[in-house]
Amino acid sequence: GNSVTQMEGPVTLSEEAFLTINCTYTATGYPSLFWYVQYPGEGLQLLLKATKADDKGSNKGFEATYRKETTSFHLEKGSVQVSDSAVYFCALKNNGNQFYFGTGTSLTVIP
Amino acid sequence: EAGVAQSPRYKIIEKRQSVAFWCNPISGHATLYWYQQILGQGPKLLIQFQNNGVVDDSQLPKDRFSAERLKGVDSTLKIQPAKLEDSAVYLCASSFPALLSGVNTGELFFGEGSRLTVL
Repeated sequence: GNSVTQMEGPVTLSEEAFLTINCTYTATGYPSLFWYVQYPGEGLQLLLKATKADDKGSNKGFEATYRKETTSFHLEKGSVQVSDSAVYFCALKNNGNQFYFGTGTSLTVIP
Repeated sequence: EAGVAQSPRYKIIEKRQSVAFWCNPISGHATLYWYQQILGQGPKLLIQFQNNGVVDDSQLPKDRFSAERLKGVDSTLKIQPAKLEDSAVYLCASSFPALLSGVNTGELFFGEGSRLTVL
C-alpha cells in the first residue's frame, strides 16, 4: 500500500537554527513526493516537490532530496525564521493521481 | 488566476442535521478531491473525481456522506445526518490531469477549507 510517516512534533527552534523534519514513505510503483505547508489561518500550499529518485526539490531556502534507497524525503533548512512557523505535511502521489499525506509536523520558531 | 473556491468557510450544526459544502476548482483542472482534516491530523481523502466520474471513494462513509460533480466542474459534498466525529475541516483540491503534462508531477491546489463543528 501507500503511506507516509513523518516526524512527530511539535518542533520548537530558535531563529537561525537548522531544521530537519523526517519523512519516509511506502509506495508501489514510482511516486512523486511533496512537502506542503499550512501557515496559521491559511490553506495548504505546495512548498516543494520531487518527481524521481535523486531529484532535489527546493523553495524559500527549504530543500528535500528524493532518496529511493532509504524511501525518504526529509525536509531541511539551514537557518529558520519566525515566518517559517507553520505545519508541514509530507505527501506522495502515486500513478493513479492519488495523494497520501503524513500527519503533519508543527514548527514554531522563536526570536 | 483564481484559486480553488470553497464555501461556506465555517458551519456549526447540531448532530443529526445535514450540511453541504461547495467547491469550484481552478479552471481547466479535471481532477477534484475532497479531503477531511481532523484537528492534529493530515488530510484524509474522501473522494476523487476525474471530470464528472468517481475515481476513488473507498474512504467515503457512504451511509452519511455523498458527493457529486455533475458537469465536471464544481462539486458538492453533503453530510446527512452529521455526527460529532464529523467535526473537521473539509478541504477541496484540484490538479492538472497527469496525461496533459505527460509527466507524473501534477501537484494539488487547495482551497481554504470549510470548517465544520458538530454540536
